[in-house]
Amino acid sequence: SYELTQPPSVSVGLGQTARITCGGSNIGGKNVYWYQQKPGQAPVLVIYKDSKRPSGIPERFSGSNSGNTATLTITRVQAGDDLDYYCQVWDSKSYVVFGGGTRLTVL
Amino acid sequence: QVQLEESGGAWVKPGGSLRLSCAASGFTFSDYYVSWIRQAPGKGLEWISYISSSSSTIYYADSVKGRFTISRDNAKNSLFLQMNSLRAEDTALYFCAGEPVVQGGLHVWGRGTTVTVSS
Repeated sequence: SYELTQPPSVSVGLGQTARITCGGSNIGGKNVYWYQQKPGQAPVLVIYKDSKRPSGIPERFSGSNSGNTATLTITRVQAGDDLDYYCQVWDSKSYVVFGGGTRLTVL
Repeated sequence: QVQLEESGGAWVKPGGSLRLSCAASGFTFSDYYVSWIRQAPGKGLEWISYISSSSSTIYYADSVKGRFTISRDNAKNSLFLQMNSLRAEDTALYFCAGEPVVQGGLHVWGRGTTVTVSS
């Protein structure tokens, strides 16, 4: 089965740039999706197809994908970004696959 | 307003059954693939089942294959999940989520419905 690996936690200073990685075998050949989740609420799609932003998502959120690693980058981090983030891909054998999630802590 | 709303969650004993529903509104439901995703308390997201826009393609995670059945009724803008032989490890918040056929990604999510399996 296809697996996605995320760091359990990432810490970043207020106003700095956060980078959350998502590792998978040849993930660069797949479309990657990123979701943000507040505790007890439904996830929100923040990046689709590697680097596209849905309407309403700030330009501070961006994505990249190459080789075995996809990255979600959040610039000018705000206190409200202190949430959980999940990457997701579609795999022909495992279908919808989520990473284990990363808790972003804003210091 | 684009919206999905789940219902049907409840407390059930191990071995029991439950049927979840997901009602869509504010968009053309038949233009979306739909999935059920669950989240156990304090855990991450786990995809469990997918159904294509016309119901022609259905997939299940190994953890629920043979026990859960997904279906949809586009005329009624509704998605369903029949859950049989429930286990304690099925305890979770269950979300339905929609992926636009032409776009990719789970753009629309419901708020979830809670299933608790316990004796």
